[in-house]
Amino acid sequence: AQSVTQPDIHITVSEGASLELRCNYSYGATPYLFWYVQSPGQGLQLLLKYFSGDTLVQGIKGFEAEFKRSQSSFNLRKPSVHWSDAAEYFCAVVPNQGGKLIFGQGTELSVKP
Amino acid sequence: DGGITQSPKYLFRKEGQNVTLSCEQNLNHDAMYWYRQDPGQGLRLIYYSQIVNDFQKGDIAEGYSVSREKKESFPLTVTSAQKNPTAFYLCASSITGTESTDTQYFGPGTRLTVL
Repeated sequence: AQSVTQPDIHITVSEGASLELRCNYSYGATPYLFWYVQSPGQGLQLLLKYFSGDTLVQGIKGFEAEFKRSQSSFNLRKPSVHWSDAAEYFCAVVPNQGGKLIFGQGTELSVKP
Repeated sequence: DGGITQSPKYLFRKEGQNVTLSCEQNLNHDAMYWYRQDPGQGLRLIYYSQIVNDFQKGDIAEGYSVSREKKESFPLTVTSAQKNPTAFYLCASSITGTESTDTQYFGPGTRLTVL
């Protein structure tokens, strides 16, 4: 079945450490790719998106993501995590033939001092 | 400021009662969406609307109803037929709803608790 997978349910990193959140999709062709962040009890905020072109995408709050076609992945990275980055992160895709936005199950990020 | 508002932020209802969640946007977006979020799960689409006076069922429409009488408003009614209505409900909007490159923007959410 076509799906979006975020393998890590919960990740804890130390403040100042680097971060990588994984996202894999199982659609045959390249979908359109998004990362959203959700603080507790809040709505979702768009971090970045990839439609085409340069496979390294820069987003807000110092985040970036790299699209790797060969691995069907769109991993989110940040070189130095801040305590305020603690939140839940969702990867989402739209299959390139159109259709609905499909979400992964989310990765909860905790940041320790 | 342009954006999406949802009200109320918290809602408590007794079992068997219908309840309506409000969603308003002033982004001049054509498309609007309702999602349900449960702990440990991603978002699941309930209903969406690409144009006024038209809407389509999403993946989990049973027990829910919507209307789209105005471009800026897309209220969701959780009916007594919804077996497990306690959840966090998110409204979103996008420019067209028809382009794959459309980006959805989300409201702050309403937490519904059925007692």
